Amino acid sequence: DTAVSQTPKYLVTQMGNDKSIKCEQNLGHDTMYWYKQDSKKFLKIMFSYNNKELIINETVPNRFSPKSPDKAHLNLHINSLELGDSAVYFCASSLLTLRGELFFGEGSRLTVL
Amino acid sequence: AQTVTQSQPEMSVQEAETVTLSCTYDTSESNYYLFWYKQPPSRQMILVIRQEAYKQQNATENRFSVNFQKAAKSFSLKISDSQLGDTAMYFCAFMTSYNDYKLSFGAGTTVTVRA
Repeated sequence: DTAVSQTPKYLVTQMGNDKSIKCEQNLGHDTMYWYKQDSKKFLKIMFSYNNKELIINETVPNRFSPKSPDKAHLNLHINSLELGDSAVYFCASSLLTLRGELFFGEGSRLTVL
Repeated sequence: AQTVTQSQPEMSVQEAETVTLSCTYDTSESNYYLFWYKQPPSRQMILVIRQEAYKQQNATENRFSVNFQKAAKSFSLKISDSQLGDTAMYFCAFMTSYNDYKLSFGAGTTVTVRA
């Protein structure tokens, strides 16, 4: 019974295309996140939502648009993909009161050709 | 801004031996939280251990323990009786109490446990 699930796990696409990654958690958490891990394994937060409200938008290009339809779901849509967007994108969730204790999904590896 | 530094890109340890990973951080805050996360080759990150800055006692979780030196801003992770399943990348992470949900990660240390 997967706690934080992301789909798809792999995306290969051409520059200029638009793609979406979906995330769902069944842990009853109220806060969700998107992290980007680059080719050097460096992890950086992109967005965070608490109860469907955006609380962190970490200087991410506006080609990236998160959407949280409810507190169990956080999706990421990327427009006009660029080569530099190639990375592994991790969804995570936590309780607001324990927000350093993240539960991560397995990641979605995006390759832009 | 908070920074987290892991100075050891890679470490190797024999099975059943002990390995210590270093982490230093920079902050002007007095109260904060520190974490170690593990990312096995399968990629999913999991929390290994956490430490609150106001607690002097070092946290321990089974074979994993930390050495928290607040004055030195140091937070090392010790893995005792290393097992093959401990092979992973380990990330040190930092969060202030007053930060807006932002967990700052170090660059990671790859640990390989040899049979």
